Amino acid sequence: GDSVTQMEGPVTLSEEAFLTINCTYTATGYPSLFWYVQYPGEGLQLLLKATKADDKGSNKGFEATYRKETTSFHLEKGSVQVSDSAVYFCALSETDSNYQLIWGAGTKLIIKP
Amino acid sequence: DGGITQSPKYLFRKEGQNVTLSCEQNLNHDAMYWYRQDPGQGLRLIYYSQIVNDFQKGDIAEGYSVSREKKESFPLTVTSAQKNPTAFYLCASRSGAGNTIYFGEGSWLTVV
Repeated sequence: GDSVTQMEGPVTLSEEAFLTINCTYTATGYPSLFWYVQYPGEGLQLLLKATKADDKGSNKGFEATYRKETTSFHLEKGSVQVSDSAVYFCALSETDSNYQLIWGAGTKLIIKP
Repeated sequence: DGGITQSPKYLFRKEGQNVTLSCEQNLNHDAMYWYRQDPGQGLRLIYYSQIVNDFQKGDIAEGYSVSREKKESFPLTVTSAQKNPTAFYLCASRSGAGNTIYFGEGSWLTVV
């Protein structure tokens, strides 16, 4: 079945460092890919998404490119801030599964000043 | 403002009690979902509903029940049969035409 694998956390960086959180997937069809962010004690917020190969999703300085050849959707940001500290979830959904989301385990990001 | 409202934010349950978590959305979305999240863990699907008066079990439905009598409402009851209910519960919704799921702020349930 479909699955999503994220790099394990926590990931600890200093402010203004470059961020990459890896996400790879397995899917039978042509899924849409998502990154959600969860701040402490809150619900999940959609950060960005991509619906087809080579699409790039971007929001708040974060970017991720849908790479079908490597089945990846890595999250990147050029210069992180303390306020980016949160848990980041990668997910996919497929039309055939009524858009049910398949979730990665989440990666906790800690940014130190 | 449009959105998904969950209540209460914090709820305490005694052993053997049923409790109901409310989820209301004014986004006119067709599909609604309930997820459970344990500390430091990912999300697990409890129940989902694609349309009014219809719902399906997710991966961990045992000990939970739902109803979908109105399009905007999808309450979750945590029954006494759920042996380990302490968790963070998230409600979500999706429009019929879209593939993006949006979340409420969550409800913390603690058994005391």
